Amino acid sequence: EPEVTQTPSHQVTQMGQEVILRCVPISNHLYFYWYRQILGQKVEFLVSFYNNEISEKSEIFDDQFSVERPDGSNFTLKIRSTKLEDSAMYFCASSAELTGAGSEAFFGQGTRLTVV
Amino acid sequence: RKEVEQDPGPFNVPEGATVAFNCTYSNSASQSFFWYRQDCRKEPKLLMSVYSSGNEDGRFTAQLNRASQYISLLIRDSKLSDSATYLCVVNKGSTLGRLYFGRGTQLTVWP
Repeated sequence: EPEVTQTPSHQVTQMGQEVILRCVPISNHLYFYWYRQILGQKVEFLVSFYNNEISEKSEIFDDQFSVERPDGSNFTLKIRSTKLEDSAMYFCASSAELTGAGSEAFFGQGTRLTVV
Repeated sequence: RKEVEQDPGPFNVPEGATVAFNCTYSNSASQSFFWYRQDCRKEPKLLMSVYSSGNEDGRFTAQLNRASQYISLLIRDSKLSDSATYLCVVNKGSTLGRLYFGRGTQLTVWP
C-alpha cells in the first residue's frame, strides 16, 4: 500500500538552529500538507501546497517557516530559527484531491522535533 | 470558540461494550466530516467519512446533524484493538483542503 514517508523520525536541535523536515508524499498525489501536534494537544494545520505554491497557511506558519518541493518527490518543511515552543510532532500529509472534496488525506508517521 | 469540540474522555469500557463519542463544530459552512483514529504517538488514520444520511462500516456508525452542528461515532462490540484516540475532523468548504481537528477522545477497551 502506498504511504507517506517522513525523515527523520526524531530530530533534536538546539534553539536558534535551522531544521529541515523531509517528506515523500504518495506519488500520484497533488496536494501536500504539514500539520503539527504539540504533546497532549490537538493536531494543527500549518500549510497546504499545490501546483508548486502555498495554497493556504495558518497563523502558526510565520516567517520562520517555509516549504519547498525541490524535486518531483520530496516535500520539505524548514524552520529557520527554532524556538522551544516549536517542539512537537510534525506530520506531512498528501491527498489526490482536495480533502474537502471527499479525498482522503494520508498522513506520514511524523517527525518528532525536540528543541533544547 | 474552538472549531471542533469533543467529549474529553477518557472512556474505559469492557470488551463487547457499545460506546458513543460526540463532537460539535462551530462553523455552519463546514462541508466534510471525518473520524480519524490515532494510536499513541502515531499518525492520524482515517476511520471513516461522515455523510449527511449517516453511514456504517462494520461495527462503526457515524451520524451527522447539520442543524445542530453535531457529529457522532458509535462503536459496537468493542475490541481490545479499538483502544485509541478518536479524532473528530472537519473541513470547511471555503478553505483549500485544510482540516480542523478536535482534541480527541481517548478510548480504552479492557478485557
